[in-house]
Amino acid sequence: GQNIDQPTEMTATEGAIVQINCTYQTSGFNGLFWYQQHAGEAPTFLSYNVLDGLEEKGRFSSFLSRSKGYSYLLLKELQMKDSASYLCAVMDSNYQLIWGAGTKLIIKP
Amino acid sequence: IAGITQAPTSQILAAGRRMTLRCTQDMRHNAMYWYRQDLGLGLRLIHYSNTAGTTGKGEVPDGYSVSRANTDDFPLTLASAVPSQTSVYFCASSDGTSEYNEQFFGPGTRLTVL
Repeated sequence: GQNIDQPTEMTATEGAIVQINCTYQTSGFNGLFWYQQHAGEAPTFLSYNVLDGLEEKGRFSSFLSRSKGYSYLLLKELQMKDSASYLCAVMDSNYQLIWGAGTKLIIKP
Repeated sequence: IAGITQAPTSQILAAGRRMTLRCTQDMRHNAMYWYRQDLGLGLRLIHYSNTAGTTGKGEVPDGYSVSRANTDDFPLTLASAVPSQTSVYFCASSDGTSEYNEQFFGPGTRLTVL
């Protein structure tokens, strides 16, 4: 079957760095997405990786290793507004997104 | 409007009733999707449409139907609602031509079936 695993919840301190991991087993691979979802709101696109390596976009970076079925999202200089759930999703061989359950990130002052 | 709208925002429904959730996008995206999101589970695809006039079944299609008469609208119908269909429903779209082919989401409909 297809499976996306990520931690249920993480806590970090304002101004610090946090890494959210995602491992996946899917039928085919056509890219990995990270989305941010604030409580009660819709998911919004953060990043996309299809090749191995690190993609940096401001305070957020995303890493992919296809051979290991592994990705992480790195958030630097954490701000209180970064408190949200972070969703990992893989596009499978049918070009459908398979979603993880999300990681709730709690930022403390 | 710009983006995706969904209606209603929330609804409480008696079991056995018929309900249609509406979704409209103005981005001229070809592909549209319906997901449900339940606590502790990832977004699960109910139905999708790659282009107007075509639809397909996702991971959890039972009890739901969709239609795609035009590019902009993609309604989701629950023919006879059951309590297990209590969930938050998100409509999304993508154009298939952008660099990332990311999906854009509507604000969601919170549905409670009693």
